[in-house]
Amino acid sequence: AQTVTQSQPEMSVQEAETVTLSCTYDTSESNYYLFWYKQPPSRQMILVIRQEAYKQQNATENRFSVNFQKAAKSFSLKISDSQLGDTAMYFCAFMNHNTDKLIFGTGTRLQVFP
Amino acid sequence: DAGVIQSPRHEVTEMGQEVTLRCKPISGHDYLFWYRQTMMRGLELLIYFNNNVPIDDSGMPEDRFSAKMPNASFSTLKIQPSEPRDSAVYFCASSLKGGTSGLSTDTQYFGPGTRLTVL
Repeated sequence: AQTVTQSQPEMSVQEAETVTLSCTYDTSESNYYLFWYKQPPSRQMILVIRQEAYKQQNATENRFSVNFQKAAKSFSLKISDSQLGDTAMYFCAFMNHNTDKLIFGTGTRLQVFP
Repeated sequence: DAGVIQSPRHEVTEMGQEVTLRCKPISGHDYLFWYRQTMMRGLELLIYFNNNVPIDDSGMPEDRFSAKMPNASFSTLKIQPSEPRDSAVYFCASSLKGGTSGLSTDTQYFGPGTRLTVL
């Protein structure tokens, strides 16, 4: 069975600094998708970034980038120039290309301090 | 597009009452998912539909839960009778598999959620 592990329950970072959130996953599949979702206090689940496993290039969305290491089954999220609005719960998620189910990690609570 | 719409945003009810949660997916999306989020169990997939047909309901906790999708633009999740342990945030999400779209295929877009409290 596929699993997603986020080993950092909580993280904190100062405004304008860079922070990296860790995620590892376990699968025997070769074709899949990985996602990071953000859940601010409003509880809305917001897509931050997505990566297709067949793409070697790491995905980037403005201040958000990933370090995708397929062999190591690692998918970390880097937030550059952290802003107060980045304070939220961040969930890593996996989806096998042949199924439609998202498997979520337990989340990392990020606090950005001024 | 307005995104995924859920109603109500908050629901407080008493044990034993029927609860109906509603969802309108993003127009043109062919998949719809219902999730439940609790502190103890995190995010759980309850059921999902493809082209209005239920595909996998293995996550539905028990017979008290039922979901329907009568058409491409509307789905309901019903709990009857409700119990205090059903208190959670319920999310609806939709996605598009294949085809062309301004949004990423296979990416699930979530609604704002319904916070359910059963007293």
